[in-house]
Amino acid sequence: GAGVSQSPSNKVTEKGKDVELRCDPISGHTALYWYRQSLGQGLEFLIYFQGNSAPDKSGLPSDRFSAERTGGSVSTLTIQRTQQEDSAVYLCASRRDLAVNTEAFFGQGTRLTVV
Amino acid sequence: GQQLNQSPQSMFIQEGEDVSMNCTSSSIFNTWLWYKQDPGEGPVLLIALYKAGELTSNGRLTAQFGITRKDSFLNISASIPSDVGIYFCAGQLHGNTPLVFGKGTRLSVIA
Repeated sequence: GAGVSQSPSNKVTEKGKDVELRCDPISGHTALYWYRQSLGQGLEFLIYFQGNSAPDKSGLPSDRFSAERTGGSVSTLTIQRTQQEDSAVYLCASRRDLAVNTEAFFGQGTRLTVV
Repeated sequence: GQQLNQSPQSMFIQEGEDVSMNCTSSSIFNTWLWYKQDPGEGPVLLIALYKAGELTSNGRLTAQFGITRKDSFLNISASIPSDVGIYFCAGQLHGNTPLVFGKGTRLSVIA
């Protein structure tokens, strides 16, 4: 597609339920990132994928969070047993490659509300 | 996780005024970036800086990469209403490391 696409745009879930957030990166982009943006805060790194390499999971806040990237394209971020503090906007970004001057393009985000 | 110190947190300015915001870090970065985020959208890249001491302009925007590699500033000249939004600085150590973001500067422009 023309840009990074995320779905759903909004998600309201009950505490304790699992949620899946989807990211479709720009076609051909090898690097994909997930960030979390809490109200009034900056973007907090969660995880990134580069090609076939093992993902960098160093930003995941707990083992309730996991992500997959199938076929080097679409990625799914899963949050199990959601808590109220998980409420945030989850942003996905992709880059063509990891050369230092390649731009990261962001999707519009998924706003997750845990009630 | 690691974050950059960005200031000010918010600004209210009159249309036509110049704006300045800055970012500092306790550790060095080899790339500094400035993004703008509109409501309901993802951040969009404004300016990228790749060399210590570099001064780069993009229209009414000017940004500098500090010589110590631990700071950067963004200036906006002659502000207009569409400059309203949240501006984020971001640092990157290497191409294969994630971007580290500041908490943002929320800019409001009064016509």
